Amino acid sequence: GAGVSQSPSNKVTEKGKDVELRCDPISGHTALYWYRQSLGQGLEFLIYFQGNSAPDKSGLPSDRFSAERTGGSVSTLTIQRTQQEDSAVYLCASSGHRGRFGEQFFGPGTRLTVL
Amino acid sequence: KQEVTQIPAALSVPEGENLVLNCSFTDSAIYNLQWFRQDPGKGLTSLLLIQSSQREQTSGRLNASLDKSSGRSTLYIAASQPGDSATYLCAVTDQAGTALIFGKGTTLSVSS
Repeated sequence: GAGVSQSPSNKVTEKGKDVELRCDPISGHTALYWYRQSLGQGLEFLIYFQGNSAPDKSGLPSDRFSAERTGGSVSTLTIQRTQQEDSAVYLCASSGHRGRFGEQFFGPGTRLTVL
Repeated sequence: KQEVTQIPAALSVPEGENLVLNCSFTDSAIYNLQWFRQDPGKGLTSLLLIQSSQREQTSGRLNASLDKSSGRSTLYIAASQPGDSATYLCAVTDQAGTALIFGKGTTLSVSS
């Protein structure tokens, strides 16, 4: 079956602009995660959605970052007033279990470049 | 705060060798550990998941072990092939059992 998909695959934007990144999880998966991979920082957790529960936003680096998940499926990560340090690959993952024991499956990522 | 370390950072071996990648974590109160493979410019491919109650998992030429008490995991790759060349990432769930905390990876190069 289809895996996790993300769009766009690449995004180049100017400093100060807002961007939206989209994630389509594996059908039926209740958990959805956003991570960021940047040079020198490795992979870091951003936000986690589980069903209809309030999201765990503990990894968001600033209030310029927000995410929503509509209908328990598709998620959008929004970065407002982008800065050059936001340049990174943004990865989405989904899991079919309630977080703790669930294997996470990753999408191909969106490479964001802020000029 | 949980920290994950992977040693070595890079490894080069000739085709056919058996090899071991190491992963250590500072807090033994994990819920599971997952090994991933990442090819250049690509996303992560899940290789093996070991739940905290398990000691090892096997898939084909790959075997991953977990020793929670010592905070260690190893990924054993048998009879390495050039197609195994990639970065291998180790990750553990945090104490809430949700987000993965990653090591910085081991970049493997297998020469033919």
